[in-house]
Amino acid sequence: EPEVTQTPSHQVTQMGQEVILRCVPISNHLYFYWYRQILGQKVEFLVSFYNNEISEKSEIFDDQFSVERPDGSNFTLKIRSTKLEDSAMYFCASRRGQGMHGELFFGEGSRLTVL
Amino acid sequence: AQSVTQPDIHITVSEGASLELRCNYSYGATPYLFWYVQSPGQGLQLLLKYFSGDTLVQGIKGFEAEFKRSQSSFNLRKPSVHWSDAAEYFCAVGANSGNTGKLIFGQGTTLQVKP
Repeated sequence: EPEVTQTPSHQVTQMGQEVILRCVPISNHLYFYWYRQILGQKVEFLVSFYNNEISEKSEIFDDQFSVERPDGSNFTLKIRSTKLEDSAMYFCASRRGQGMHGELFFGEGSRLTVL
Repeated sequence: AQSVTQPDIHITVSEGASLELRCNYSYGATPYLFWYVQSPGQGLQLLLKYFSGDTLVQGIKGFEAEFKRSQSSFNLRKPSVHWSDAAEYFCAVGANSGNTGKLIFGQGTTLQVKP
């Protein structure tokens, strides 16, 4: 069964350091997402990406965040200068079709701990 | 603004007992509604979804959910819980703004199953 894969599963970093979280979406999917879940809180939408550009981003997704699909298979989330409050589980997701009708498939998440 | 509320943060049921997890949503139009499950160390897996039509929807693993517009609810049910159902359950509403297909999640309900 096709799946979304994420690496690393857990990363510990020092405040102020750059972090890149990597995702390999399902191969024939066209819409890509990052969500995050701070411990004990809701899963929150960060950004959606289609046709090599951001289609929507949340208030959380400020200038410290960026996304990229560098090679047609990977989909990365970069945090330029991490803050303590960036500690969270980050989920990548992808879907084949537009809107709600295609199922959204999630990866297992990357846990980021900022010290 | 769209929002999802799961009133129960933690529920414990005995194996074989019935289960109902509550979900209330706030959304201006006809909502797209989802239930996801997250087992420890796993990603979010879609249990079922409601778009339109029959208000009682069947999902995987023996789960069902009923959409009640008058109550703005989409409660998840299972007639007989198995120990393997212990997990975290998330209700979500699809925000179709700009057709980006993003989801807005509730806070989640942790289900514990007693032997």
